[in-house]
Amino acid sequence: QVQLQESGPRLVKPSETLSLTCTVSGGSISSYYWSWIRQPPGKGLEWIGYIYYSGSTTYNPSLKGRVTISVDTSKNQFSLKLSSVTAADTAVYFCARGSQVFNYWGQGTLVTVSS
Amino acid sequence: DIVMTQSPDSLAVSLGERATINCKSSQSVLYSSNNKNFLAWYQEKPGQPPKLLIYWASTRESGVPDRFSGSGSGTDFTLTISSLQAEDVAVYYCQQYYSSPLTFGGGTKVEIK
Repeated sequence: QVQLQESGPRLVKPSETLSLTCTVSGGSISSYYWSWIRQPPGKGLEWIGYIYYSGSTTYNPSLKGRVTISVDTSKNQFSLKLSSVTAADTAVYFCARGSQVFNYWGQGTLVTVSS
Repeated sequence: DIVMTQSPDSLAVSLGERATINCKSSQSVLYSSNNKNFLAWYQEKPGQPPKLLIYWASTRESGVPDRFSGSGSGTDFTLTISSLQAEDVAVYYCQQYYSSPLTFGGGTKVEIK
């Protein structure tokens, strides 16, 4: 059974860079697409972007070039960096498998942007 | 971007009764070359990640009870829970994957009456 687990700092200061890693277990990261999705407290879901195991990426333009997603196949991990964060970036961040529909999800991690 | 609009925002249904959730897309998500609707439904319970219920508008994900069904085409879609169970209390989201950026509806909260 494929499992995903997010890890990274839970508190980030405004204007700094949010960094999260998703570790995939129970299966290989190869031959699949992997996504990041976020959910502000009490609100709906926003797709951030996805990466193919080969490294090709597609991002949500709404994040205005602040997003970088990378993959490390040797560690079975993929990562998210979101720069120049503000309070509006406070959210539960999920990693998930897929580029169209998402059939495996991490539990999510709440990242708070605050000084 | 394709805007997904769900209705109602919330609904309360008696146990064993039918629950119906609507989702409307701002443009068609039907791909004419394969006649498939690029529309999925998810269930989110408190403290849990969303769970994929239905894709291609009407195909149930493996393991999803058959009381969940999806219908519709083009811009108008429906998720139906034929006989509401206590464990179905959740927020339900539709999502289009016809074009990037992928977008979700605002969610519909289902409660027991």
